[in-house]
Amino acid sequence: SQELEQSPQSLIVQEGKNLTINCTSSKTLYGLYWYKQKYGEGLIFLMMLQKGGEEKSHEKITAKLDEKKQQSSLHITASQPSHAGIYLCGALKWGAQKLVFGQGTRLTINP
Amino acid sequence: EAGVAQSPRYKIIEKRQSVAFWCNPISGHATLYWYQQILGQGPKLLIQFQNNGVVDDSQLPKDRFSAERLKGVDSTLKIQPAKLEDSAVYLCASTRGSATDTQYFGPGTRLTVL
Repeated sequence: SQELEQSPQSLIVQEGKNLTINCTSSKTLYGLYWYKQKYGEGLIFLMMLQKGGEEKSHEKITAKLDEKKQQSSLHITASQPSHAGIYLCGALKWGAQKLVFGQGTRLTINP
Repeated sequence: EAGVAQSPRYKIIEKRQSVAFWCNPISGHATLYWYQQILGQGPKLLIQFQNNGVVDDSQLPKDRFSAERLKGVDSTLKIQPAKLEDSAVYLCASTRGSATDTQYFGPGTRLTVL
């Protein structure tokens, strides 16, 4: 079965600093989704990547999928308190319309 | 467009009691998912419906969990009897139904079993 490993598991950064969260798969990724979750709440969709080398940005968040389609990264530039939360990557299981999630990365922004 | 609705938002029960959660997906979304998210972990799929039929329930503990989507719209997830390890957030998500459609999630129901 496909497994997703996220690193780091938790991250504390000073407001204004840049940061990167990684998501690594044991198998080729056919679709990779990034979500953000506030503690105890639902998931908010951020971005979806499908093609090797693809990169998408929204405001100060950039997500990339490597050429081999086995690793994705989420980069936040000039972090703000509003970026705090849990970031989850989810891999689309080929032909099954379902997602397998990593364990999440808890991001804390210190003022 | 209204998002995925779930109720209740919070529920506290004693072990061996029963509990039910409700989900109303985004209008027109054919596929509905129930996930269980234990604290500190990513969501784990319990069951997937396509309209009112079950597509995947391989990870649903069928001895105590049941789910239905009778008219292909709303869905309920039931636990009977509950165990301590069922304490988790139960998330509902929906998509239009194509393979790469984005899953949109509801706010979740936080269940505490004492």
